[in-house]
Amino acid sequence: EVQLLESGGGLVQPGGSLRLSCAASGFTFSSYAMNWVRQAPGKGLEWVSGISGDGGSTYYADSVKGRFTISRDNSKNTLYLQMNSVRAEDTAVYYCAKDPAAATLTVFHYWGQGTLLTVSS
Amino acid sequence: DIVMTQSPDSLAVSLGERATINCKSSQSVLYSSNNQNYLAWYQQKPGQPPKLLIYWASTRESGVPDRFSGSGSGTDFTLTISSLQAEDVAVYYCQQYYSTTLTFGGGTKVEIK
Repeated sequence: EVQLLESGGGLVQPGGSLRLSCAASGFTFSSYAMNWVRQAPGKGLEWVSGISGDGGSTYYADSVKGRFTISRDNSKNTLYLQMNSVRAEDTAVYYCAKDPAAATLTVFHYWGQGTLLTVSS
Repeated sequence: DIVMTQSPDSLAVSLGERATINCKSSQSVLYSSNNQNYLAWYQQKPGQPPKLLIYWASTRESGVPDRFSGSGSGTDFTLTISSLQAEDVAVYYCQQYYSTTLTFGGGTKVEIK
């Protein structure tokens, strides 16, 4: 059974940094691209970033480019999102989502339960 | 970026009746080399993460009831719930994966009339 467990959310001040993690199990982690998708309170879904199975290709939404960095450790079956220079508009539930493809980004096949990031002073 | 526009924002449908949700992309998501539309639909119930319903515009994900169907091509797509059930109350999103900058529609809330 595919399981994705996000952690690392919390309260951070504007301009601060935080790293989210997503522990994966139930599948061969290195064989699949992975993504981060966020949802601001009461709002719709926004794709944030994606990474290929081997970690060699990364992709970002314009809203986070230059501030967020996606990475993965295939030996630990873990996906990361390093968030720097956070803003109030980054406040959201952040979901980790598995892609059915290895090298490109397609759809969000499985989702974690999400972790809440609140940016506030 | 490809902008996805859904309509309506919300709709109320009687149990057993048909619900129709529209999704329009700002450019075609039909890839000519394989004749596939790079369009997916998701269902999100309150307090839950989204669930993949349909991909390639019309292929149902395993386990999704056949009352859910997707149609359309190019820039105009439709999600149809043929006979609305109480458990279908949710927000539905379309998403394109034609571009590696993935984008969602704004969502359509489906309620019982």
